Amino acid sequence: KAGVTQTPRYLIKTRGQQVTLSCSPISGHRSVSWYQQTPGQGLQFLFEYFSETQRNKGNFPGRFSGRQFSNSRSEMNVSTLELGDSALYLCASSFRGLEEKLFFGSGTQLSVL
Amino acid sequence: GENVEQHPSTLSVQEGDSAVIKCTYSDSASNYFPWYKQELGKGPQLIIDIRSNVGEKKDQRIAVTLNKTAKHFSLHITETQPEDSAVYFCAASLPPEGAQKLVFGQGTRLTINP
Repeated sequence: KAGVTQTPRYLIKTRGQQVTLSCSPISGHRSVSWYQQTPGQGLQFLFEYFSETQRNKGNFPGRFSGRQFSNSRSEMNVSTLELGDSALYLCASSFRGLEEKLFFGSGTQLSVL
Repeated sequence: GENVEQHPSTLSVQEGDSAVIKCTYSDSASNYFPWYKQELGKGPQLIIDIRSNVGEKKDQRIAVTLNKTAKHFSLHITETQPEDSAVYFCAASLPPEGAQKLVFGQGTRLTINP
C-alpha cells in the first residue's frame, strides 16, 4: 500500500506570493491533517479535513487555508507569503480520524525569500 | 491548551546500551500519547503509542510507560543500534479531537555511537 504522497517536494517562493501544496492520503483513508514543522516552533497542527469538511483547526492566521476533495486528496494554500512561513509542511492521514493512528508523508519544504 | 515538554533535547548512547526519553504534559484530560521517529529528509514515522487506560506497552526493543498521576510518559529503547539514530518526538492529544490534533514535544536528537 502506498503511503501519504506530498507534492511538490521542494518549493521556493518570494514574499507576497501564494502557494498551494498537495497531499494524497493512503488509499482508503478519509481524514487528512496538516502540520507545520520549523526549527523554532517544532511541529504545529494547522487543520484537519474529513469528508471534504474542515473538522479541526489550529492557531494559524487566515492566510493558511485548505480543502479536501471527494477522493480525499487535500490541498493547503498559503496566501501573501511571509519569510516566517518557511517550513516543512507535513500532511498526515488516517482512516476516519479521531481515535485512529496518524501516518505522515515526507512533506513539502517551502522556502520563502 | 495542552503543552508537552520533552527531555533531553539531545542524547548520545553507545551501541547496545539503552536510551530513555521523557515527556510531561499539562492537561490531565489528554488520553492518547504517540511517539514518532523522524529521519533526515523524511516525515515522522509512528513507532509506538499508548492510551490513558494502559500503563505500559512494549514492541520488541521499544517500550512506552505512562504515569497519569504525574502526567508524564517515557520512551525506552533497549539494545540500541545505529539505525535508531534519529529525532524522536512525543505527542499528546485531547478528546474530542483525538489523535488528529496532536501537540508535539520539541524533539530529542538520539545518536547511537558504534
